[in-house]
Amino acid sequence: AQSVTQPDIHITVSEGASLELRCNYSYGATPYLFWYVQSPGQGLQLLLKYFSGDTLVQGIKGFEAEFKRSQSSFNLRKPSVHWSDAAEYFCAVGGRPYILTGGGNKLTFGTGTQLKVEL
Amino acid sequence: GAGVSQSPSNKVTEKGKDVELRCDPISGHTALYWYRQSLGQGLEFLIYFQGNSAPDKSGLPSDRFSAERTGGSVSTLTIQRTQQEDSAVYLCASSPLWGAGPSTTEAFFGQGTRLTVV
Repeated sequence: AQSVTQPDIHITVSEGASLELRCNYSYGATPYLFWYVQSPGQGLQLLLKYFSGDTLVQGIKGFEAEFKRSQSSFNLRKPSVHWSDAAEYFCAVGGRPYILTGGGNKLTFGTGTQLKVEL
Repeated sequence: GAGVSQSPSNKVTEKGKDVELRCDPISGHTALYWYRQSLGQGLEFLIYFQGNSAPDKSGLPSDRFSAERTGGSVSTLTIQRTQQEDSAVYLCASSPLWGAGPSTTEAFFGQGTRLTVV
């Protein structure tokens, strides 16, 4: 069964400091990996995604994530955090769809990491 | 439509009543998901529709929960005999045709329906 672990429930950083949010996944094949952000009162917005190729992927709002197969990790990073980055961040794993059968594969999300930014 | 639309945005119901939550996916998206987000919890998968394939219902927490998708578009999530533990935000997401390339495998979320059972 696929699963995602986000070990940090809450993280507080100062504005301008660097950020790393951890994500570990369990998946039996090549995973598709995603990071979503949910700002207060807002829906979920995709930050970035990894399917294949370069293991360092760039996303919106200056975020990046690195896929490390050996560690089953997909950590999210940002060099300098802005106050507007305060939100909840979710990591998700999915798989290659079953093209031949027309089926698909659901996305499994972690429990999220709540980011607080101190001014 | 321009995005995934969910209605109502808020629903307060009495314990024991049935509720229906509606999701209008992005036009042309063949995959549709329902998730539940409880306070302090992550996104709990409920059910997944993909085209004409049988839905993946493995996440439905009990037989009080059901969902259907009519005409491959609009979906309704029904909760019968609601309980207080059903209080949560119910999120719907859709994504384009799977199998058309990895660039299409992104789920777009609606704003959710906040359900409160009193």
